[in-house]
Amino acid sequence: GENVEQHPSTLSVQEGDSAVIKCTYSDSASNYFPWYKQELGKRPQLIIDIRSNVGEKKDQRIAVTLNKTAKHFSLHITETQPEDSAVYFCAATPKAAGNKLTFGGGTRVLVKP
Amino acid sequence: NAGVTQTPKFQVLKTGQSMTLQCAQDMNHEYMSWYRQDPGMGLRLIHYSVGAGITDQGEVPNGYNVSRSTTEDFPLRLLSAAPSQTSVYFCASSYATGTGVDFGQGTRLTVV
Repeated sequence: GENVEQHPSTLSVQEGDSAVIKCTYSDSASNYFPWYKQELGKRPQLIIDIRSNVGEKKDQRIAVTLNKTAKHFSLHITETQPEDSAVYFCAATPKAAGNKLTFGGGTRVLVKP
Repeated sequence: NAGVTQTPKFQVLKTGQSMTLQCAQDMNHEYMSWYRQDPGMGLRLIHYSVGAGITDQGEVPNGYNVSRSTTEDFPLRLLSAAPSQTSVYFCASSYATGTGVDFGQGTRLTVV
């Protein structure tokens, strides 16, 4: 089955700096890669996703890049703000798997004012 | 729409007890799934369903049963609770493959 590794497990940045989270996956059949943000005590919320036919996607201050050859994808947050402090999860799934998401272990991001 | 609704929000069980975690969605989503979340381990898939009457096992199915008699409901049954099942459980749904899933608010389960 799919295996997703996520790094780093914790990330502390100064407000206004950029944050980068990296994930690798093992199954070459995976073609959908969502990112979720989870605030303390809350449910995970989808913030951005990318499909395997696209190399990069951007939504305001967040962007995701995908390298299918190397089987890794990354989340980039620019101009970080205190409200970006949360745990971020990457995930992967093959389209044929019925939306069975395999998640990375999560990255706790702390934005220091 | 209420989205994905889970009940209860909190539950304490004694070892060996059984219970059912309820999950309902009002978005007419075909795909539903159950995940458990443990510290440092992300979310792990327990069971999932691609439509009414169809279920399959995920990564960590042992000790859990599911059924999908309607599109809306996807209950998770703990057969004989064990301390290792102490976790936060999330139900999720989506309308298609290759799309983001919507999570319920979670059930925090403690087994003593």
